[in-house]
Amino acid sequence: GENVEQHPSTLSVQEGDSAVIKCTYSDSASNYFPWYKQELGKRPQLIIDIRSNVGEKKDQRIAVTLNKTAKHFSLHITETQPEDSAVYFCAASRGTGGFKTIFGAGTRLFVKA
Amino acid sequence: NAGVTQTPKFQVLKTGQSMTLQCAQDMNHNSMYWYRQDPGMGLRLIYYSASEGTTDKGEVPNGYNVSRLNKREFSLRLESAAPSQTSVYFCASSGGQGTKETQYFGPGTRLLVL
Repeated sequence: GENVEQHPSTLSVQEGDSAVIKCTYSDSASNYFPWYKQELGKRPQLIIDIRSNVGEKKDQRIAVTLNKTAKHFSLHITETQPEDSAVYFCAASRGTGGFKTIFGAGTRLFVKA
Repeated sequence: NAGVTQTPKFQVLKTGQSMTLQCAQDMNHNSMYWYRQDPGMGLRLIYYSASEGTTDKGEVPNGYNVSRLNKREFSLRLESAAPSQTSVYFCASSGGQGTKETQYFGPGTRLLVL
């Protein structure tokens, strides 16, 4: 079946450094790729997303890139801050609302002050 | 707007007991989802409902049933709970005016099956 692989499972960076999380998806029909942030004990919340007709998208310190040919997409966080510490999930989905979304296993990011 | 709400927040069951997890959204979303989250395994889709009146299986549907009661409410039922169903359960919805695919999650239900 469809799956999404996410690496690394744990990432530790110094405050101010950049963090990169990578995902690979298997379903070539996927066309929507959201990223969620989940703080300890809280619900996942969308931080950025990208569609298959776009190669890159930025929102302040966060950017996402997509290589549709290779079925890879990545999350880049620059100038990391302690409040960026959380678990980050990538996901892949096809179509508009109502279709299955497959999530990666998550990356636990630690930002050391 | 309350967004997506779930009840209960916590529940302890004995093996073989049944229970229903409730979910409601006030965002007029068409689609609703149930996920379970286990350590190191991310979010796995149990069932989803693309629109009122339809439900479909996700990745891990065994041991669960769902009911899309109306556009607002989507419940998850465990008929005979097993220790393997100990998890955190999240309900989500999507299909709003903005990005229709964006899923908004409820606060979660922590379930322990003894």
